[in-house]
Amino acid sequence: AQRVTQPEKLLSVFKGAPVELKCNYSYSGSPELFWYVQYSRQRLQLLLRHISRESIKGFTADLNKGETSFHLKKPFAQEEDSAMYYCALIETDKLIFGTGTRLQVFP
Amino acid sequence: EPEVTQTPSHQVTQMGQEVILRCVPISNHLYFYWYRQILGQKVEFLVSFYNNEISEKSEIFDDQFSVERPDGSNFTLKIRSTKLEDSAMYFCASITTGTRNEQFFGPGTRLTVL
Repeated sequence: AQRVTQPEKLLSVFKGAPVELKCNYSYSGSPELFWYVQYSRQRLQLLLRHISRESIKGFTADLNKGETSFHLKKPFAQEEDSAMYYCALIETDKLIFGTGTRLQVFP
Repeated sequence: EPEVTQTPSHQVTQMGQEVILRCVPISNHLYFYWYRQILGQKVEFLVSFYNNEISEKSEIFDDQFSVERPDGSNFTLKIRSTKLEDSAMYFCASITTGTRNEQFFGPGTRLTVL
């Protein structure tokens, strides 16, 4: 079965520190992966997707098919990055989510 | 910027009662979804809906669940006889065209079954 694994429930860093939120997946075929973010009291929103290869709010994520990973990285965390981050993949037309990682950025 | 809306934001009901959760997708969107998130667990797919019919449903989406698009704007999820384990956040999502595009989520409805 297709699945997404986010091993860390909570990641705490200080402002300015590098951040890496881990995501591993299992998928037979060519996966299409996303990172969604949920800020406090706000809705889930797309942060980035691997096919666009963009950098959004300083975050990047590279699909590594050999390691079946799609880790989210930011070189210098900001306090406003504090949120829940969900890695997800598309199967047919539905999203399969990981359990999420809460990122806390301390001043 | 257009957004997906959901009502109510919080619904409390007694076990065995019927509930209807409402969603208004973005107006030019064609594909609609319901997801749920039990507290502390992952967001799970329930059902997708396109062209006035269910295109896919999960194992969770049993006979107690139904979806409907009664008019050109609303998309509803009905739970016929709620159980305690139906307590969760329910999210509606929609996309424009192409099932691999970004899904836009509503703010969610928190359902509490007592």
